[in-house]
Amino acid sequence: GQSLEQPSEVTAVEGAIVQMNCTYQTSGFYGLSWYQQHDGGAPTFLSYNALDGLEETGRFSSFLSRSDSYGYLLLQELQMKDSASYFCAVRNGGSQGNLIFGKGTKLSVKP
Amino acid sequence: GAGVSQSPSNKVTEKGKDVELRCDPISGHTALYWYRQSLGQGLEFLIYFQGNSAPDKSGLPSDRFSAERTGGSVSTLTIQRTQQEDSAVYLCASSTRQGAGSAFFGQGTRLTVV
Repeated sequence: GQSLEQPSEVTAVEGAIVQMNCTYQTSGFYGLSWYQQHDGGAPTFLSYNALDGLEETGRFSSFLSRSDSYGYLLLQELQMKDSASYFCAVRNGGSQGNLIFGKGTKLSVKP
Repeated sequence: GAGVSQSPSNKVTEKGKDVELRCDPISGHTALYWYRQSLGQGLEFLIYFQGNSAPDKSGLPSDRFSAERTGGSVSTLTIQRTQQEDSAVYLCASSTRQGAGSAFFGQGTRLTVV
């Protein structure tokens, strides 16, 4: 079956850089996605990696290594508003399969 | 509509009653997902619809849970004989067939069973 592992909590200071890791086990890999969810809000899509390497979108970057079944989300120049939960997700069993999510990493940004 | 719409936003029901939760996906999105999220927890997959294919019901926790999607658009998640452990936020998401990893979520229905 599919499973994703993420650290449960990370704390960092404003202005710093933080990396949140995700390791996965899946049958038939079709890309790794990242979502952000603020307390009381809905998850919102951040990024998607289908191929190895780094994808950058502003202060957010996402990395994938398919050979290691590993990815990470990198946030630079942390702001207080980045305090949220971050979930990685993979497609289950096919390019049109459902999305399975990890349990998420809760990021706390301190002043 | 502009985004995924879910109704009601909040629902309080008595134990043993049936409830229906509605999801109106983004127009043109062929894929529709239901998830359940308890306070401070991750997203638990419930059911997935993709176009005209048979739905993936592998995440439904018991036979008290069912869902349908009419006309490839609106979906209804039904919970029969609700139990207190059903209390959670129920999230719906939709995506295009080519949407890869990008799904768009509604604001959810907060269900409280008393």
